[in-house]
Amino acid sequence: NAGVTQTPKFQVLKTGQSMTLQCAQDMNHNSMYWYRQDPGMGLRLIYYSASEGTTDKGEVPNGYNVSRLNKREFSLRLESAAPSQTSVYFCASSADSAEQFFGPGTRLTVL
Amino acid sequence: SQQGEEDPQALSIQEGENATMNCSYKTSINNLQWYRQNSGRGLVHLILIRSNEREKHSGRLRVTLDTSKKSSSLLITASRAADTASYFCATDPLTSGTYKYIFGTGTRLKVLA
Repeated sequence: NAGVTQTPKFQVLKTGQSMTLQCAQDMNHNSMYWYRQDPGMGLRLIYYSASEGTTDKGEVPNGYNVSRLNKREFSLRLESAAPSQTSVYFCASSADSAEQFFGPGTRLTVL
Repeated sequence: SQQGEEDPQALSIQEGENATMNCSYKTSINNLQWYRQNSGRGLVHLILIRSNEREKHSGRLRVTLDTSKKSSSLLITASRAADTASYFCATDPLTSGTYKYIFGTGTRLKVLA
């Protein structure tokens, strides 16, 4: 099992560009999450999906959109990137046990 | 605002010593979890403790929860160089619904060989 995979691993964007971060899990988990981690801070929840077909805002959703394509995949889209969105982005999934399994992260720089 | 705050922010100990880090939170919770993050990598789940539990063990890890003080502690016994990492607590507030955990800012642990 690959667990939680994320693509790309690194990305550099110019202000105003758009991109989609991809996340997939092979553990048949219902819930999936997108977090961002800034230096010296913990993870902050951007969006989450409790089950296929549902999504909800987390703590910092502004500037982002998500799609729960199917049970395996949960993508995060930046429509018009801003320097404030420079961060490390983590995807996670969980079953009902609440333990979250994290991907390796995407390091995004917006110039 | 941050629900969980770890203390200390950084900790440096010798191999073989015990490491204790604390987490305080603001609102009542369903569960509390501890995660480890090695530099540049994703988080790894260590242990979950429910609000009706007071203590839990897993290998060299011991977690306590005091809901009256809204605090938890993580003890790593007989530390090893491989324990060098950042440790985060994550709380699941009662009002949050579906496992919307809020992460603290972390304790950076350095174990010197």
